[in-house]
Amino acid sequence: IAGITQAPTSQILAAGRRMTLRCTQDMRHNAMYWYRQDLGLGLRLIHYSNTAGTTGKGEVPDGYSVSRANTDDFPLTLASAVPSQTSVYFCASRDRGGNTGELFFGEGSRLTVL
Amino acid sequence: GQNIDQPTEMTATEGAIVQINCTYQTSGFNGLFWYQQHAGEAPTFLSYNVLDGLEEKGRFSSFLSRSKGYSYLLLKELQMKDSASYLCAVVDSNYQLIWGAGTKLIIKP
Repeated sequence: IAGITQAPTSQILAAGRRMTLRCTQDMRHNAMYWYRQDLGLGLRLIHYSNTAGTTGKGEVPDGYSVSRANTDDFPLTLASAVPSQTSVYFCASRDRGGNTGELFFGEGSRLTVL
Repeated sequence: GQNIDQPTEMTATEGAIVQINCTYQTSGFNGLFWYQQHAGEAPTFLSYNVLDGLEEKGRFSSFLSRSKGYSYLLLKELQMKDSASYLCAVVDSNYQLIWGAGTKLIIKP
């Protein structure tokens, strides 16, 4: 089934460690996004990529980096994790030129930083 | 700044009708989405409105008034499985999605 896959689904991490959350989509969508979701705050955009080879900063980019070497993959890296980065992370993709341009979400990665 | 407002929580009775409102102030407008999110799961697409008026899709309908910066999601014949959070998102002038914090809908028997 075509879609968007995230890994890992859950991770406990010591503060100061480096962590990469993986995201792969097979829908050939040009745009991809990383959000974090915290209770009461809704979805907040971390980084985005409108097309392969380009990335941009969202609302809460500090402490995170991304790359978009190809259309399918959009990994999110925490260079040195801190407890405030404990959250649920969602990767999403969409076809910006499509009819509705609806966003498709991965299942989420629950990250706990101790 | 850009702002999306939704009620934090609503309660309704099984079999009834509920309307979830969303008001927005954004830099430009290129459409409005409604998503449903069950606890512990990813958001899933419900509807998209770009023109004024009502879009009906089974038990769910979505309304948009661009002049008022207002939308609502109408859920009819409520079922227990409709207990979820409902997220409103607006596509701004840069074609980025601006999200509301979501409305948690609690359905009681």
